[in-house]
Amino acid sequence: ETTLIQSPAFVSATPGDTVTISCTASQDIDDDLNWYQRKPGEPAIFLIQESSTLVRGIPPRFSGSGYGTHFTLTINNIESDDAAYYFCLQHDNFPLTFGGGTKIEIK
Amino acid sequence: QVQLVQSGAEMEKPGASVRLSCKASGYTFSTYTLHWVRQAPGQSLEWMGWINFGTGFTKYSPKFRGRVTITSDTSATTSFMELNNLNSADTAVYYCVRDEPNEVDADYPWGALDVWGPGTMVTVSS
Repeated sequence: ETTLIQSPAFVSATPGDTVTISCTASQDIDDDLNWYQRKPGEPAIFLIQESSTLVRGIPPRFSGSGYGTHFTLTINNIESDDAAYYFCLQHDNFPLTFGGGTKIEIK
Repeated sequence: QVQLVQSGAEMEKPGASVRLSCKASGYTFSTYTLHWVRQAPGQSLEWMGWINFGTGFTKYSPKFRGRVTITSDTSATTSFMELNNLNSADTAVYYCVRDEPNEVDADYPWGALDVWGPGTMVTVSS
């Protein structure tokens, strides 16, 4: 089973900041990693697929990178609407696994 | 509008079973596949299993194998997830999640989990 270590668990940011979240896999997963955003009471939103491909309709201030075992989600010029829980998912092998999640607070 | 609507909250006693539903609308149901995922309070998300509606193929996490069954009623565009022999550790929010079809290998999910249901809270308590 592939373990995904996501960090940090919590980020407090100011509008306009750049926030970076990392996800480290316990084994090589190529680029089979997605990123999601979830707000309380709402379904999760698909942000990034295959490590770096922005899902249609997602603002370009979101970007992803990485291959193999190290991956990052970057939010440039963060906005108050970006306050949410973010998590990564690997679909390279069974069972699919998730990172522990990151809560972003906007001051 | 693509949507997954899940059944309402459940409260069960230890040892019981629960059957949750996930009704899809806004797209061709049998073309896509579906995952079931859960999140216990204070824990990270946990993948439970997956079904390919076109072939009927299912794949389960080893952690739940033997306790979980994922099925579908294609005519009702609904998937069901049954979890047996519940215990307190099964208290969680359960999500169904759509995935795109894998044109290369129908027995493996494509991995574009793109539409999430709102979740169903299941509480297991005596």
